[in-house]
Amino acid sequence: SQTIHQWPATLVQPVGSPLSLECTVEGTSNPNLYWYRQAAGRGLQLLFYSVGIGQISSEVPQNLSASRPQDRQFILSSKKLLLSDSGFYLCAWSIGLQYGYTFGSGTRLTVV
Amino acid sequence: GQQLNQSPQSMFIQEGEDVSMNCTSSSIFNTWLWYKQDPGEGPVLLIALYKAGELTSNGRLTAQFGITRKDSFLNISASIPSDVGIYFCAGRRNEKLTFGTGTRLTIIP
Repeated sequence: SQTIHQWPATLVQPVGSPLSLECTVEGTSNPNLYWYRQAAGRGLQLLFYSVGIGQISSEVPQNLSASRPQDRQFILSSKKLLLSDSGFYLCAWSIGLQYGYTFGSGTRLTVV
Repeated sequence: GQQLNQSPQSMFIQEGEDVSMNCTSSSIFNTWLWYKQDPGEGPVLLIALYKAGELTSNGRLTAQFGITRKDSFLNISASIPSDVGIYFCAGRRNEKLTFGTGTRLTIIP
Protein backbone atom coordinates (compact mmCIF):
# COMPACT_ATOMS: atom_id res chain seq x y z
CA SER A 1 0.00 0.00 0.00
CA GLN A 2 1.04 3.58 -0.54
CA THR A 3 2.28 5.73 2.31
CA ILE A 4 3.43 9.32 2.59
CA HIS A 5 5.97 10.52 5.13
CA GLN A 6 6.52 14.12 6.08
CA TRP A 7 8.98 15.50 8.60
CA PRO A 8 9.61 17.08 10.94
CA ALA A 9 6.21 17.26 12.64
CA THR A 10 6.98 20.56 14.34
CA LEU A 11 9.68 23.15 13.80
CA VAL A 12 10.57 26.45 15.44
CA GLN A 13 12.99 28.55 13.47
CA PRO A 14 14.33 32.11 13.88
CA VAL A 15 13.66 34.77 11.27
CA GLY A 16 16.34 34.72 8.58
CA SER A 17 17.25 31.06 9.04
CA PRO A 18 17.01 28.50 6.21
CA LEU A 19 14.30 25.88 5.90
CA SER A 20 14.13 22.37 4.50
CA LEU A 21 11.02 20.23 4.78
CA GLU A 22 11.02 16.78 3.25
CA CYS A 23 8.26 14.56 1.95
CA THR A 24 8.58 11.05 0.58
CA VAL A 25 6.04 8.66 -0.89
CA GLU A 26 6.32 4.88 -0.85
CA GLY A 27 4.50 2.20 -2.77
CA THR A 28 3.86 4.07 -6.00
CA SER A 29 5.71 5.40 -9.02
CA ASN A 30 5.64 8.77 -10.77
CA PRO A 31 3.14 10.39 -8.42
CA ASN A 32 2.06 14.01 -8.70
CA LEU A 33 3.39 15.76 -5.60
CA TYR A 34 2.10 18.90 -3.90
CA TRP A 35 2.99 21.35 -1.14
CA TYR A 36 0.17 23.21 0.59
CA ARG A 37 0.23 25.76 3.39
CA GLN A 38 -2.56 26.27 5.87
CA ALA A 39 -2.70 29.37 8.03
CA ALA A 40 -4.33 28.98 11.46
CA GLY A 41 -8.06 28.34 11.14
CA ARG A 42 -8.04 28.82 7.38
CA GLY A 43 -8.12 26.86 4.14
CA LEU A 44 -5.33 25.23 2.18
CA GLN A 45 -3.24 27.23 -0.25
CA LEU A 46 -1.39 25.40 -3.01
CA LEU A 47 2.28 26.44 -3.06
CA PHE A 48 3.97 24.07 -5.51
CA TYR A 49 3.21 20.96 -7.48
CA SER A 50 5.30 18.55 -9.50
CA VAL A 51 4.32 16.03 -12.15
CA GLY A 52 7.82 14.55 -12.50
CA ILE A 53 11.47 14.68 -11.44
CA GLY A 54 12.85 18.18 -11.77
CA GLN A 55 9.46 19.59 -12.83
CA ILE A 56 8.16 22.22 -10.42
CA SER A 57 5.20 24.54 -10.88
CA SER A 58 4.87 27.49 -8.53
CA GLU A 59 1.43 28.77 -7.68
CA VAL A 60 2.24 31.69 -5.41
CA PRO A 61 5.30 33.96 -5.68
CA GLN A 62 6.94 33.97 -2.28
CA ASN A 63 9.93 33.31 -0.14
CA LEU A 64 9.84 29.56 -0.71
CA SER A 65 11.07 27.13 -3.34
CA ALA A 66 10.54 23.43 -4.05
CA SER A 67 12.61 20.68 -5.58
CA ARG A 68 12.04 17.10 -6.64
CA PRO A 69 15.43 15.39 -6.80
CA GLN A 70 13.95 11.87 -6.95
CA ASP A 71 10.68 10.41 -8.19
CA ARG A 72 9.14 10.07 -4.74
CA GLN A 73 10.86 12.89 -2.88
CA PHE A 74 9.60 16.46 -2.65
CA ILE A 75 11.45 19.17 -0.71
CA LEU A 76 10.25 22.60 0.37
CA SER A 77 12.99 25.13 1.08
CA SER A 78 13.71 28.70 2.00
CA LYS A 79 17.00 30.55 2.19
CA LYS A 80 15.74 33.10 4.74
CA LEU A 81 12.52 32.59 6.67
CA LEU A 82 10.08 35.42 7.31
CA LEU A 83 7.57 35.67 10.15
CA SER A 84 4.81 35.31 7.56
CA ASP A 85 6.14 31.86 6.63
CA SER A 86 4.67 30.43 9.83
CA GLY A 87 1.91 27.91 9.22
CA PHE A 88 0.98 24.28 8.78
CA TYR A 89 2.67 22.77 5.73
CA LEU A 90 1.15 19.76 4.08
CA CYS A 91 2.58 17.47 1.44
CA ALA A 92 0.25 15.42 -0.75
CA TRP A 93 0.42 12.96 -3.62
CA SER A 94 -1.92 11.71 -6.31
CA ILE A 95 -1.86 9.38 -9.29
CA GLY A 96 -3.39 10.45 -12.56
CA LEU A 97 -5.93 13.19 -13.03
CA GLN A 98 -9.02 11.44 -11.74
CA TYR A 99 -8.44 10.77 -8.09
CA GLY A 100 -8.13 12.82 -4.93
CA TYR A 101 -4.97 13.61 -3.04
CA THR A 102 -3.56 11.76 -0.06
CA PHE A 103 -2.04 14.08 2.50
CA GLY A 104 0.85 13.67 4.89
CA SER A 105 0.48 14.45 8.57
CA GLY A 106 1.88 17.96 8.18
CA THR A 107 4.66 20.11 9.61
CA ARG A 108 3.80 22.96 11.92
CA LEU A 109 6.36 25.72 11.34
CA THR A 110 6.67 28.63 13.73
CA VAL A 111 9.04 31.42 12.75
CA VAL A 112 10.11 33.50 15.74
CA GLY B 1 -4.92 31.62 -5.22
CA GLN B 2 -8.54 30.79 -5.89
CA GLN B 3 -10.61 29.22 -3.13
CA LEU B 4 -14.07 27.81 -3.33
CA ASN B 5 -16.92 29.41 -1.39
CA GLN B 6 -17.93 26.99 1.32
CA SER B 7 -20.79 27.47 3.77
CA PRO B 8 -21.52 27.59 6.54
CA GLN B 9 -18.19 28.66 7.99
CA SER B 10 -19.02 26.95 11.29
CA MET B 11 -21.78 24.82 12.74
CA PHE B 12 -22.79 24.07 16.33
CA ILE B 13 -25.11 21.10 16.56
CA GLN B 14 -26.27 18.51 19.05
CA GLU B 15 -25.34 14.87 18.78
CA GLY B 16 -27.82 13.02 16.60
CA GLU B 17 -28.65 15.99 14.38
CA ASP B 18 -28.14 15.96 10.63
CA VAL B 19 -25.57 18.29 9.04
CA SER B 20 -25.54 19.91 5.63
CA MET B 21 -22.79 22.01 4.03
CA ASN B 22 -22.14 23.15 0.49
CA CYS B 23 -19.53 24.53 -1.81
CA THR B 24 -19.87 26.78 -4.86
CA SER B 25 -17.49 28.01 -7.50
CA SER B 26 -17.51 30.33 -10.48
CA SER B 27 -15.47 27.73 -12.37
CA ILE B 28 -16.25 24.22 -13.59
CA PHE B 29 -14.46 21.28 -12.02
CA ASN B 30 -14.03 17.73 -13.30
CA THR B 31 -14.02 16.15 -9.86
CA TRP B 32 -15.41 17.20 -6.48
CA LEU B 33 -13.98 15.86 -3.26
CA TRP B 34 -14.81 16.20 0.42
CA TYR B 35 -12.14 16.00 3.12
CA LYS B 36 -12.18 16.03 6.92
CA GLN B 37 -9.32 17.44 8.96
CA ASP B 38 -8.75 16.71 12.64
CA PRO B 39 -6.63 19.18 14.68
CA GLY B 40 -2.93 18.93 13.87
CA GLU B 41 -3.47 16.35 11.14
CA GLY B 42 -3.61 16.34 7.37
CA PRO B 43 -7.01 16.20 5.64
CA VAL B 44 -8.46 12.76 4.98
CA LEU B 45 -10.56 12.01 1.92
CA LEU B 46 -14.21 11.19 2.71
CA ILE B 47 -15.99 11.10 -0.64
CA ALA B 48 -15.00 11.62 -4.28
CA LEU B 49 -17.46 12.57 -7.05
CA TYR B 50 -16.56 12.18 -10.71
CA LYS B 51 -19.69 12.93 -12.74
CA ALA B 52 -22.12 15.83 -12.85
CA GLY B 53 -25.27 14.89 -10.99
CA GLU B 54 -23.59 12.00 -9.18
CA LEU B 55 -24.89 11.20 -5.71
CA THR B 56 -22.55 9.11 -3.55
CA SER B 57 -22.83 7.77 -0.02
CA ASN B 58 -20.19 6.58 2.43
CA GLY B 59 -21.88 5.36 5.60
CA ARG B 60 -23.66 8.33 7.18
CA LEU B 61 -22.16 10.71 4.60
CA THR B 62 -23.85 11.64 1.34
CA ALA B 63 -22.45 14.02 -1.25
CA GLN B 64 -23.58 15.25 -4.64
CA PHE B 65 -21.79 16.68 -7.67
CA GLY B 66 -23.91 19.56 -8.97
CA ILE B 67 -25.35 19.41 -12.48
CA THR B 68 -23.61 22.63 -13.46
CA ARG B 69 -20.27 21.18 -12.18
CA LYS B 70 -19.85 24.36 -10.16
CA ASP B 71 -21.16 23.15 -6.82
CA SER B 72 -21.38 20.25 -4.40
CA PHE B 73 -22.98 19.48 -1.06
CA LEU B 74 -22.19 17.12 1.81
CA ASN B 75 -24.72 15.77 4.28
CA ILE B 76 -23.94 13.94 7.50
CA SER B 77 -26.80 12.09 9.11
CA ALA B 78 -27.19 11.37 12.83
CA SER B 79 -23.99 13.13 13.89
CA ILE B 80 -21.73 11.54 16.51
CA PRO B 81 -18.92 13.07 18.61
CA SER B 82 -16.15 11.86 16.27
CA ASP B 83 -17.66 13.93 13.43
CA VAL B 84 -16.10 17.02 15.04
CA GLY B 85 -13.49 18.66 12.82
CA ILE B 86 -13.09 20.87 9.78
CA TYR B 87 -14.64 19.75 6.52
CA PHE B 88 -13.21 20.94 3.21
CA CYS B 89 -14.63 20.66 -0.24
CA ALA B 90 -12.18 20.54 -3.12
CA GLY B 91 -12.57 20.85 -6.86
CA ARG B 92 -10.11 19.25 -9.23
CA ARG B 93 -9.14 20.52 -12.69
CA ASN B 94 -6.24 18.69 -14.33
CA GLU B 95 -3.36 18.24 -11.87
CA LYS B 96 -4.54 20.85 -9.37
CA LEU B 97 -6.95 20.69 -6.47
CA THR B 98 -8.56 23.90 -5.21
CA PHE B 99 -9.93 23.84 -1.67
CA GLY B 100 -12.91 25.46 -0.06
CA THR B 101 -12.59 27.71 2.96
CA GLY B 102 -13.75 24.97 5.32
CA THR B 103 -16.69 24.29 7.64
CA ARG B 104 -15.85 23.82 11.32
CA LEU B 105 -18.25 21.35 12.93
CA THR B 106 -18.71 21.42 16.70
CA ILE B 107 -21.00 19.06 18.57
CA ILE B 108 -22.63 20.45 21.68
CA PRO B 109 -22.90 17.91 24.50
